[in-house]
Amino acid sequence: NAGVTQTPKFQVLKTGQSMTLQCAQDMNHEYMSWYRQDPGMGLRLIHYSVGAGITDQGEVPNGYNVSRSTTEDFPLRLLSAAPSQTSVYFCASSYRGGGNAGELFFGEGSRLTVL
Amino acid sequence: AQSVAQPEDQVNVAEGNPLTVKCTYSVSGNPYLFWYVQYPNRGLQFLLKYITGDNLVKGSYGFEAEFNKSQTSFHLKKPSALVSDSALYFCAVRDGSSNTGKLIFGQGTTLQVKP
Repeated sequence: NAGVTQTPKFQVLKTGQSMTLQCAQDMNHEYMSWYRQDPGMGLRLIHYSVGAGITDQGEVPNGYNVSRSTTEDFPLRLLSAAPSQTSVYFCASSYRGGGNAGELFFGEGSRLTVL
Repeated sequence: AQSVAQPEDQVNVAEGNPLTVKCTYSVSGNPYLFWYVQYPNRGLQFLLKYITGDNLVKGSYGFEAEFNKSQTSFHLKKPSALVSDSALYFCAVRDGSSNTGKLIFGQGTTLQVKP
């Protein structure tokens, strides 16, 4: 099993450019989420999804869009990049319910720099 | 709203000594509590969780954590630290009455174990 796969691992953008961070999981997890990690801030939840066709906002959703057309994929879109979006982004997935819910499996991260 | 506080940015301990990394939480429903570890340039890895039952839970790599409902705390412990335990540790909470699986993380605590 590949687990959670994120691409790209590194990206440099100019202010105003758009891009999509890809996330795919092969564990048939219902729950998928995107976090950003900034020094001293820990991980902050951007958006999450509890199943195909269902998404919701987390703590810091502004400037980001998501969609969930399949169970496996959960892309994160930056429509107009800003320097404040320079960060390391993590995709994570888990089973939705029961005792296993919350045991997140993380991707290796995508480091984004916006100039 | 859920929240997690890790009051120490860094914990220093000598190899072979016991270690404690502190975590307090706030959640409206029953708390589901988690610890994750992050090694440099990697994604987070699940260590252990408390859902219900015994207040002392055991996890990977010899770590354990004690749930204290009255103090709303979930401190991570290990009887004898190893240099290889040096990493960034995150506490996280989920509202057990919610079925979204949404996890909120603390700011993280850097554990430094010196030989």
